Amino acid sequence: AQSVTQPDIHITVSEGASLELRCNYSYGATPYLFWYVQSPGQGLQLLLKYFSGDTLVQGIKGFEAEFKRSQSSFNLRKPSVHWSDAAEYFCAASGGSYIPTFGRGTSLIVHP
Amino acid sequence: NAGVTQTPKFQVLKTGQSMTLQCAQDMNHNSMYWYRQDPGMGLRLIYYSASEGTTDKGEVPNGYNVSRLNKREFSLRLESAAPSQTSVYFCASSEFGGTGWNEQFFGPGTRLTVL
Repeated sequence: AQSVTQPDIHITVSEGASLELRCNYSYGATPYLFWYVQSPGQGLQLLLKYFSGDTLVQGIKGFEAEFKRSQSSFNLRKPSVHWSDAAEYFCAASGGSYIPTFGRGTSLIVHP
Repeated sequence: NAGVTQTPKFQVLKTGQSMTLQCAQDMNHNSMYWYRQDPGMGLRLIYYSASEGTTDKGEVPNGYNVSRLNKREFSLRLESAAPSQTSVYFCASSEFGGTGWNEQFFGPGTRLTVL
């Protein structure tokens, strides 16, 4: 079955530190891959997406993600975290006839 | 361009009452979805409509019904609300991109409490 796994439920970082959020997928073929962010009390907003081509994709708010086929991973990174980045982050995948599948989410806590 | 709109934003129901959550999108997307979000559970798909005229069950359809009224609108109905349906409900829309569904656009959510 298709699945998306985000191994970390919570991540705590200090403001200014680097960030990496993990995402692994299980699909029959390379799916479309997405990262969304959800600020408290809000809906989800797309940060970035990967369909094909360059495996390092840039998104909004200074985020980037790297697709690694050999590891079935699509990890999200940011070089320097700001307090406003505190939010819930969701990885998602879609492929073939299968509707999008979401991970459980990672809650990012930013310490001043 | 409003994107995806949902009404109402908040609702409190008593057990056994019914209500309909409304969703509309102005992006001409074929596919629409209803999710519920509960603490620690992520997003769980209730129902989806891959295209106008079709609806299918998702992961947690029990206690819900849907109607794809037209290409723009997709409503979710709770016939007899239960406390277990207390949740935040999100509507989303997207388009099929050839080998998978493109990114989803989400509404702001409806916060439902069932007493």
